[in-house]
Amino acid sequence: EVHLVESGGGLVQPGGSLRLSCAASGLTFNTDWMSWVRQSPRDGLEWVANIRQDGSETHYVDSVKGRFTVSIDNVKNLVYLQMNSLRVEDTAVYYCTRGIGSGKAANAWGQGTLVTVSS
Amino acid sequence: IQLTQSPSSLSASVGDRVTITCRASQGINSYLAWYQQESGKAPKLLIDTASTLQSGVPSRFSGSGSGTEFTLTISNLQPEDFAAYYCQQLQSYPPTFGQGTRLEIK
Repeated sequence: EVHLVESGGGLVQPGGSLRLSCAASGLTFNTDWMSWVRQSPRDGLEWVANIRQDGSETHYVDSVKGRFTVSIDNVKNLVYLQMNSLRVEDTAVYYCTRGIGSGKAANAWGQGTLVTVSS
Repeated sequence: IQLTQSPSSLSASVGDRVTITCRASQGINSYLAWYQQESGKAPKLLIDTASTLQSGVPSRFSGSGSGTEFTLTISNLQPEDFAAYYCQQLQSYPPTFGQGTRLEIK
């Protein structure tokens, strides 16, 4: 069974940076995708980025391109989301998920971590 | 690709049958998933590829459709089914979600 636990959320000022981590257990090394999805009252659920589990391919939603970077460490079983130049509109609960890529849905979700961007 | 769910909210009683619709702005074949989100929790995958029920999901949930119109039907509503439901298209990037349908107890 896949178990995902996010950490690293918090309060940050506009223009600041934050790195989210997702500790994953129960994954097998294959071509699964790992994704970050965020949820806010303003925008609802929004897919943010994904990475193929071997790290060979990434995709981003337009609003975070050039600011966010997703990466994976298969030795430590961690997925990261480095968020730079944060904006007020990035405020949301961020979920780590398995899936969302190659037509596959997110079949495992973490509990989420809250990111608040405010001065 | 934009997804439009209807209705945005719905009131029903235990034992009722309800249907939620998700319309895509362009064809997505069968690359559509449905999620359930209980208050304060992460979403949970119910159905993918439009009609494939996930393991452990009760058979009172069913999905249908292809192309641009999809439905999620819940038969014999149970108390634990009152939650928010979201569709998501997985045909192309970015994989967008619908705005959600809140199912409330009448």
